[in-house]
Amino acid sequence: QVQLQESGPGLMKPSETLSLTCSVSGDSVSGYNWSWIRQFPGKELKWIGRIHFSGRTEFNPSLKSRVTMSVDTSKNQFSLRLTSVTAADTAIYYCVRDRLRGSWSNFDYWGQGMLVTVSS
Amino acid sequence: DIQMTQSPSSLSASVGDRVTITCRASQDISNSLAWYQQKPGKAPNLLLFAASFLQSGVPSRFSGSGSGTDYTLTISSLQPEDFATYHCQQYHTAPLTFGGGTKVEMK
Repeated sequence: QVQLQESGPGLMKPSETLSLTCSVSGDSVSGYNWSWIRQFPGKELKWIGRIHFSGRTEFNPSLKSRVTMSVDTSKNQFSLRLTSVTAADTAIYYCVRDRLRGSWSNFDYWGQGMLVTVSS
Repeated sequence: DIQMTQSPSSLSASVGDRVTITCRASQDISNSLAWYQQKPGKAPNLLLFAASFLQSGVPSRFSGSGSGTDYTLTISSLQPEDFATYHCQQYHTAPLTFGGGTKVEMK
């Protein structure tokens, strides 16, 4: 059974850099593409971007200037970095597995989610 | 970006009811449409993909249909465990986008 687990800080101050890591078990990160999705307090879901098992990344243009992603195959993890956070970045952050390998995809496995609050 | 508009935003129903939720895309997404169920405090769970294909393990009372810009999720006979929020998602074009969600509440 594939399992994903997010880790990182739950509380941040404005202008800081958010770093989240997703640990994957039951599957290899080298086999799929992996995405990050966030959910705002009003329940809207927003796709942040994805990282290919090759290391290639693709981001939502609305966040592209602030986002980087990386993958560590030795630890079977992938990570999200979001710079210059503001209160508008307060959300639940999910790491997810893309169900399809060759194209844009839906998502078949989700982490439990990590609430990140940005407040001064 | 492709805008996904779900309706209704909420509905009240009883166990055994037939429930229909719609999702409209701002342009043709060629059946690249998924539906998710989300319960309070939990991550979304994939129900259907490619508009009408049931994800493994999902009960057959869930079904999907549609084409072009208009899609529908139907629950044929609502069960107690189906009270939840439902989201649609298009994966035809990046950035991938979701509908605003439909909360199914007990009448």
